[in-house]
Amino acid sequence: LAKTTQPISMDSYEGQEVNITCSHNNIATNDYITWYQQFPSQGPRFIIQGYKTKVTNEVASLFIPADRKSSTLSLPRVSLSDTAVYYCLVGNNAGNMLTFGGGTRLMVKP
Amino acid sequence: DVKVTQSSRYLVKRTGEKVFLECVQDMDHENMFWYRQDPGLGLRLIYFSYDVKMKEKGDIPEGYSVSREKKERFSLILESASTNQTSMYLCASSLEGQLNEKLFFGSGTQLSVL
Repeated sequence: LAKTTQPISMDSYEGQEVNITCSHNNIATNDYITWYQQFPSQGPRFIIQGYKTKVTNEVASLFIPADRKSSTLSLPRVSLSDTAVYYCLVGNNAGNMLTFGGGTRLMVKP
Repeated sequence: DVKVTQSSRYLVKRTGEKVFLECVQDMDHENMFWYRQDPGLGLRLIYFSYDVKMKEKGDIPEGYSVSREKKERFSLILESASTNQTSMYLCASSLEGQLNEKLFFGSGTQLSVL
């Protein structure tokens, strides 16, 4: 199983760009990298997913270097409502367990 | 949108009781999962199922069992609840067939065992 390591917490201010890095040294060839966001008293929800290079959607960007041993979630111009826990998940659905790491608690301040 | 519904938002049970946590999804997903979430430990996988009547152990199956009699419903069972099973329980589902299918989560059941 590919285990992930993320910073426990990060602080930022409104309007700043936030980058959260996840390490996954033993990622397997078939594994994808997926990021989820979780607000208090809710289940996690999907933000973005990638396999290699860069992926961008309306919410975030995901940067994955060539060796795929890490990935960086980039949130442009964060707002107070982006305060949440962000989880990096590495795995796939092909009979493998999908294991979450401890997550990064992002606090956005005014 | 996919909807994953967990039957109870909050539950309070006594030690030794048999507890059923129910989860229903409405998008015909093959895969269903049960996680528990504890402060400082993130989400840990208890059991998952890839098809009706099929189940696989996750990272922490001890003290739990599951049932999947219908495709849309996945139940988590605590045969004899203990205080260390006090936790937030999250159900999720996903499609089968692709390696990168994303998980859809319910809102969670906060279980307190007294």
